[in-house]
Amino acid sequence: DAKTTQPNSMESNEEEPVHLPCNHSTISGTDYIHWYRQLPSQGPEYVIHGLTSNVNNRMASLAIAEDRKSSTLILHRATLRDAAVYYCILRDGGKSTFGDGTTLTVKP
Amino acid sequence: NAGVTQTPKFQVLKTGQSMTLQCAQDMNHEYMSWYRQDPGMGLRLIHYSVGAGITDQGEVPNGYNVSRSTTEDFPLRLLSAAPSQTSVYFCASDRTGSTGELFFGEGSRLTVL
Repeated sequence: DAKTTQPNSMESNEEEPVHLPCNHSTISGTDYIHWYRQLPSQGPEYVIHGLTSNVNNRMASLAIAEDRKSSTLILHRATLRDAAVYYCILRDGGKSTFGDGTTLTVKP
Repeated sequence: NAGVTQTPKFQVLKTGQSMTLQCAQDMNHEYMSWYRQDPGMGLRLIHYSVGAGITDQGEVPNGYNVSRSTTEDFPLRLLSAAPSQTSVYFCASDRTGSTGELFFGEGSRLTVL
C-alpha cells in the first residue's frame, strides 16, 4: 500500500502563509490525495483533495507535483484556529492510508 | 443531521473480554471504515466496507471482525481483547470511496487492562 511521509512539526506566524509538504513516492494512478486536520480529542476534518491538478477551496489550496509523488497544502493566512495535526492521505476505492501527520503550531 | 455516531465513547475491558463498537451514519453513504489511532500516531485502517454485505481488511485487521448488514450500520467486534488494542477508534463514512469527503465520528476510547 502507498505510504505518505510528512514532517513531524512545523511552526508559522499568525496571518502568514503556511506550506505543508507531503511525499507519496509510491502513489498509484488511481490514488486520490486528500488532506485532513485533527484537533485534540476530535475526529479528523476534511480540508481538500485532488487527483492531478491543483485545487482551491475556501479553506486552502492543494498543489500537486507533475509526477504526483509529492503535494503541498497551502494555508494562505494562518490563524490560531488552524493549529492542528494535518494528515496527507491517499484514498482509493474505500481504502485510506494515513501518515503520522504534521503538527502545525501557529504563533500570535 | 447526526452524521456519524459512535457508541460507546469510553469503554474499559479486561483482557479476554469481547465487545462491539457501534457505528451508524444517516447520510446514506455506501462506504464505511474503521480506524484505530494510538498516541502520537496517525490513523490506521482496520476494516472497510464498500456497501451492504461487502467488507474487506485494512492495514491492521487482526483481532477484529466486522459485518455490514445495512447501509447505515458498521459495527466493529473485538473478539478477545488484548492490552495492545488499547486505542482510540474512529468510524468514518463517505459517498464515493475516493473522490468524496470522509466524515468521521467523534471516536471511542478503549482501554484494555
